[in-house]
Amino acid sequence: AQSVAQPEDQVNVAEGNPLTVKCTYSVSGNPYLFWYVQYPNRGLQFLLKYITGDNLVKGSYGFEAEFNKSQTSFHLKKPSALVSDSALYFCAVSVSGSARQLTFGSGTQLTVLP
Amino acid sequence: DSGVTQTPKHLITATGQRVTLRCSPRSGDLSVYWYQQSLDQGLQFLIQYYNGEERAKGNILERFSAQQFPDLHSELNLSSLELGDSALYFCASSVSGAPHQPQHFGDGTRLSIL
Repeated sequence: AQSVAQPEDQVNVAEGNPLTVKCTYSVSGNPYLFWYVQYPNRGLQFLLKYITGDNLVKGSYGFEAEFNKSQTSFHLKKPSALVSDSALYFCAVSVSGSARQLTFGSGTQLTVLP
Repeated sequence: DSGVTQTPKHLITATGQRVTLRCSPRSGDLSVYWYQQSLDQGLQFLIQYYNGEERAKGNILERFSAQQFPDLHSELNLSSLELGDSALYFCASSVSGAPHQPQHFGDGTRLSIL
């Protein structure tokens, strides 16, 4: 079975500070990892993905994520947070060669304080 | 704007009733997914279609059914509705449904059962 854990329900950070949203995963096989963001009353919006290659992946709006195979983690990061980054963030995993679809984490509410 | 259109945005109905949710995928996308988002269960994958054929099934109840039509739009039918079916229902689409492809989400249909 594949699963995703987002250990923090809520992350608060001051504007201008770096932010990290944590994600760990469990799969059998090679993972494909994704981050999505959800603003109030909106659908999920794709931010970035890891398929293979460079462990540091850059995505939309200045976000990046680092794939760490030994720690089975895929943490989302941004060097300088904006108030407009406040939203619900979801990590998701699928597996290469598997018919199973995306499995989402429970989400982390990010609040950037002015 | 993701390019995925869902109608209606809101639906209020009573227990025991039947409703149909509609989704138009992004132009060029052949695969459609349905998800249910609720506070207690998080984001749950229901079902996936590719070019009119069912490709994968998740946690979809027997009271629920879906189909994808030749013009690639999809409908999710929910019958014998129960209070617990109140949730946000999202449709997403991707080019071919391969597990490494990002999915693009609509803004959802909020279903309220009274």
